[in-house]
Formats: sequence, C-alpha cells, structure tokens
Amino acid sequence: EDQVTQSPEALRLQEGESSSLNCSYTVSGLRGLFWYRQDPGKGPEFLFTLYSAGEEKEKERLKATLTKKESFLHITAPKPEDSATYLCAGNTGGFKTIFGAGTRLFVKA
Amino acid sequence: KAGVTQTPRYLIKTRGQQVTLSCSPISGHRSVSWYQQTPGQGLQFLFEYFSETQRNKGNFPGRFSGRQFSNSRSEMNVSTLELGDSALYLCASTPRGPDTEAFFGQGTRLTVV
Repeated sequence: EDQVTQSPEALRLQEGESSSLNCSYTVSGLRGLFWYRQDPGKGPEFLFTLYSAGEEKEKERLKATLTKKESFLHITAPKPEDSATYLCAGNTGGFKTIFGAGTRLFVKA
Repeated sequence: KAGVTQTPRYLIKTRGQQVTLSCSPISGHRSVSWYQQTPGQGLQFLFEYFSETQRNKGNFPGRFSGRQFSNSRSEMNVSTLELGDSALYLCASTPRGPDTEAFFGQGTRLTVV
C-alpha cells in the first residue's frame, strides 16, 4: 500500500537552530515528491517538487532533498515566521497524491 | 491571477442532512482534487476530476460524491452526514493533474452537530 510517513510529529527550535524534517515514502511509481507549508486556518502552500533521487531544491532558508526512500526538508537558521505545519506528499501516477500527517514546527525567538 | 476559491468557508449541519461544497479553480486549470483534513488523519484524498471526468477516488463511502462542470468548477456532496464528517475540506487545482504543484483553496470548515 502506498504510504507517506513524516517525522517528527512536532519540532521545537530556537531561532537560528538548524534542523531537518524527514519524509519516508513507499509509493510505487512515484511521480513527484512535494513539500507544502500550511499555516493555521489556511490551505497548504506549495514549496518544492522533486522528481528523481539526488535532486535538491532551495528557497530562502529551506532546502529539500530526495533519495529513493525518503526526502528531507532542511531548515537553516529558522526564524519565528517559519513556524507552520510542513506537509510531504507523493504522487502515485494514478491521478492521486498521498499526504503525510505533517510536522508541526515551532520556532521560538 | 485569482486563486482557488472555495465556498462557503464555514458550515454547520445536523446529522442526517446533506451538504454541497463548491470549488472554483484557477483560470485555465482543468484538474481539481478534493481532500478531507482532520487532526487525527491529516489530508485524505477524496477524488480527482479532469475535464468533467473522475479519474480517481479515495477510500471514502459512497455518501461522498463529486462532479465537475464544463468550466472546471467542481462541487462535492456529502449525504446523510455523520459526526465524523466534521473536517476541513480542501480543494486543489493544477493545469493537468496531481503530478505537478497544486494550488489549494482556503477550505470549507464543516461542523456536524
């Protein structure tokens, strides 16, 4: 069964304390691994798409990487405004995208 | 350009009633996907439509149905509401399908009492 698992469930960081969020997946015929950010009361906002193992993408303090079994979202020197829920999702190729449960990130000033 | 619009934003319904939610995708986007989001289950895939055709459906009972119109606007319907249907319902649009970045609406918060 296709599955996306994120860890940790919650992460508390001090401002400037770098860390990584993990997304492990078992999706047959993966056609895209996505990262989204979701703020309370809002819909998810697209961050990155990765299509093949070894691919990396960066945006400001965020960097996403992909291997054959997992993806990482690295957060460098986070700020309080980076606090949000980060969602990982895999597209199965059958017009269906499966989401992980998310990692809630709290960054304290 | 305008984003994905979902209406209404909030709904309160009684058990046993039915409800219809609406989603207007970004202009030019022909694929619309629906998701149910709850604290315990996260985002669960409901169904995906493209050019008025349902191409995939998640593991939800038949009480959950949807459709897409020729202008790509989509509706989902839940009949015989149960307390467990209380959730945030999100729709997402893409130009051609879920293998590209999706643009989400703000969601409809449904509360069943």
